[in-house]
Amino acid sequence: QSALTQPASVSGSPGQSITISCTGTSNDVGGYKYVSWYQQHPGKAPKLIIYDVSDRPSAVSNRFSGSKSGNTASLTISGLQAEDEADYYCSSYTSSNTEVFGGGTKLTVL
Amino acid sequence: EVQLVESGGGLIQPGGSLRLSCAASGFTVSNNYMSWVRQAPGKRLEWVSVIHSDGSTYYADSVKGRFTISRDNSKNTLSLQMNSLSAEDTAVYYCARSSTVTSAPTGAFDYWGRGTLVTVSS
Repeated sequence: QSALTQPASVSGSPGQSITISCTGTSNDVGGYKYVSWYQQHPGKAPKLIIYDVSDRPSAVSNRFSGSKSGNTASLTISGLQAEDEADYYCSSYTSSNTEVFGGGTKLTVL
Repeated sequence: EVQLVESGGGLIQPGGSLRLSCAASGFTVSNNYMSWVRQAPGKRLEWVSVIHSDGSTYYADSVKGRFTISRDNSKNTLSLQMNSLSAEDTAVYYCARSSTVTSAPTGAFDYWGRGTLVTVSS
């Protein structure tokens, strides 16, 4: 199972919005509503920020939102804050009853 | 409070075996979908295996036939038996629980342990 495709890095200034894409195939992202997004700070375990494409755990800020079109899912972070600087990973359920992660995107807040 | 604590990592020679454990508290392992996810140093997250509440198991192609996921209901623990280890298996191994508010067969990992480092080297 090949990794989902994410940009290696994105950046934005405080207060701005950024979007991270996650491209797969019809056997994963495009075929199911089961796309998740995680935030990972250095040396820490990942944190779930979006599940089922666009649902947000109750404790997660509404500045984080998710969407999907075809084989590409997207994570948007609005009102960028310094603490948003981290690595972000998408993942998707696959037709093989497995889970596949993206390559990860490093977000830099300028 | 939900908590996951991994143990069993360490330095192992190529070709060797290791058994990881994940002690859960605050919920019942057997009622949930539980996975192992690993991350090689400086690399991306990689899903390894899942065990469903009905006991069915699934594996990533990279570990199929070498790794076995299991659970001990009496101890409320998750385990990963790893055989025929190679340098490519060097990683921090996390156990993770799939959220109970989704119907996803895996993924949507809402709780993670801190991880245990496995280093395969001679």
